Amino acid sequence: AQSVTQPDIHITVSEGASLELRCNYSYGATPYLFWYVQSPGQGLQLLLKYFSGDTLVQGIKGFEAEFKRSQSSFNLRKPSVHWSDAAEYFCAVAKGNTNAGKSTFGDGTTLTVKP
Amino acid sequence: GAGVSQSPRYKVTKRGQDVTLRCDPISSHATLYWYQQALGQGPEFLTYFNYEAQPDKSGLPSDRFSAERPEGSISTLTIQRTEQRDSAMYRCASSSSAGAGANVLTFGAGSRLTVL
Repeated sequence: AQSVTQPDIHITVSEGASLELRCNYSYGATPYLFWYVQSPGQGLQLLLKYFSGDTLVQGIKGFEAEFKRSQSSFNLRKPSVHWSDAAEYFCAVAKGNTNAGKSTFGDGTTLTVKP
Repeated sequence: GAGVSQSPRYKVTKRGQDVTLRCDPISSHATLYWYQQALGQGPEFLTYFNYEAQPDKSGLPSDRFSAERPEGSISTLTIQRTEQRDSAMYRCASSSSAGAGANVLTFGAGSRLTVL
C-alpha cells in the first residue's frame, strides 16, 4: 500500500522568504502526486499535480513542485511567501492506474507566515 | 451547483445516536468521494460513487457506516450508533469521469461531527 510522509508538522517563514515543504512517498510504481492547501473553514484546494512528463510542475498561486523518483520525493516550493499563504498543506499520492479519489494523504504541514 | 456543498457544517450528537451527512457535488461530476479527517491528520478515503454505483467501500471503518447516492447526484453518509471515535471532519469531493479533469478533486468545506 502507498504511504505519504510529511516530515515537518509546522513551519514558520517570514513574508518574502522562500519556502520548501517536504513530501516523501512510498509506492512501487509510477504514482500520481498532488499538493493541496486547506485554509480555515475551506475545503482542500488543489495546488498542483504530477502525472507524467516534466518532473517540475507549476501550480496556482506561484507554487511549484519537483518529482524526484530517486528520492521518492515531491517537495513543494515557492520563491517568495505571502501572508495569505498561511494554511495547512497536504501532499497526496494515488496509484497511477486508478482514480485520484483513492489518494493517500500525508498528515499535513501547517505554514505560519511572520510579518 | 457551482461547487461541492456539504451539510450540516457542524453536528454535535450524543453517543449512540444516528447521524446523516449530506453532499451535493458539482452537477456535471459523475464521481463522488467521501473522506474522514481526524484532527491533526490527513483525509482518509472512505468510499466512492460513480453515478449511483458504489464500486469501492473498502475504507468504511465498520458496518455502522453506510453511504448512498440513489439518483447519481446528492449523496448521504450515515453513521449509526455513533461512538466518540467517530468524531472527525467528513469531507466530500467530486470529479469528472473522463478527460483532463478525471483525476482532479474538488472538495467541499466538510461536516464537522462531534460525538459526546
